[in-house]
Amino acid sequence: QKEVEQNSGPLSVPEGAIASLNCTYSDRVSQSFFWYRQYSGKSPELIMSIYSNGDKEDGRFTAQLNKASQYVSLLIRDSQPSDSATYLCAVKNRGNQFYFGTGTSLTVIP
Amino acid sequence: GAVVSQHPSRVICKSGTSVKIECRSLDFQATTMFWYRQFPKQSLMLMATSNEGSKATYEQGVEKDKFLINHASLTLSTLTVTSAHPEDSSFYICSARDRLAGISSYNEQFFGPGTRLTVL
Repeated sequence: QKEVEQNSGPLSVPEGAIASLNCTYSDRVSQSFFWYRQYSGKSPELIMSIYSNGDKEDGRFTAQLNKASQYVSLLIRDSQPSDSATYLCAVKNRGNQFYFGTGTSLTVIP
Repeated sequence: GAVVSQHPSRVICKSGTSVKIECRSLDFQATTMFWYRQFPKQSLMLMATSNEGSKATYEQGVEKDKFLINHASLTLSTLTVTSAHPEDSSFYICSARDRLAGISSYNEQFFGPGTRLTVL
């Protein structure tokens, strides 16, 4: 069983729309959750981190965590073409190791 | 702050040779560094966890004799791909955790820019 699962997409949204990215994880005791953005040929860059149930907002980005359902999501409001990238969900386990999902490819259409 | 560098950024080598990749934390000390491999259109796969002054912990399926990891100081970890073959061609990325981050779960990892390895 994969530790972190994401819909690989591709996901296409028009410019200005809301993009919704989802992630589930298997280790129930995981405490830290991260969303990274990765452009082709580059290493990931951190967008959001979330540790508590509920929503966390940062600019156009909102992370949502539901530990009971083992589910974490990322909403991107007012999507821009520059948001087109692969979004990786990552979960940190008790050993401080990070496990990544397969990533969701997002394309924002101008 | 929290800058991680990798060297080289790109390497092309012949099959059978060994390649060393360096990962450095430039402005912080990292007791733990992680090595990942990423094949095209796939996610990052954790290969090993490198702890300063001790042996690396390898993920299941990763050959420790093929991927040698040395973490001799708080700012440097190296990954050596021994007797590289074309199937080892990949994007290798390291990351580091700040030693001063403590035991809080509220800390992330900082990624290096990656090393593109091509084995001919």
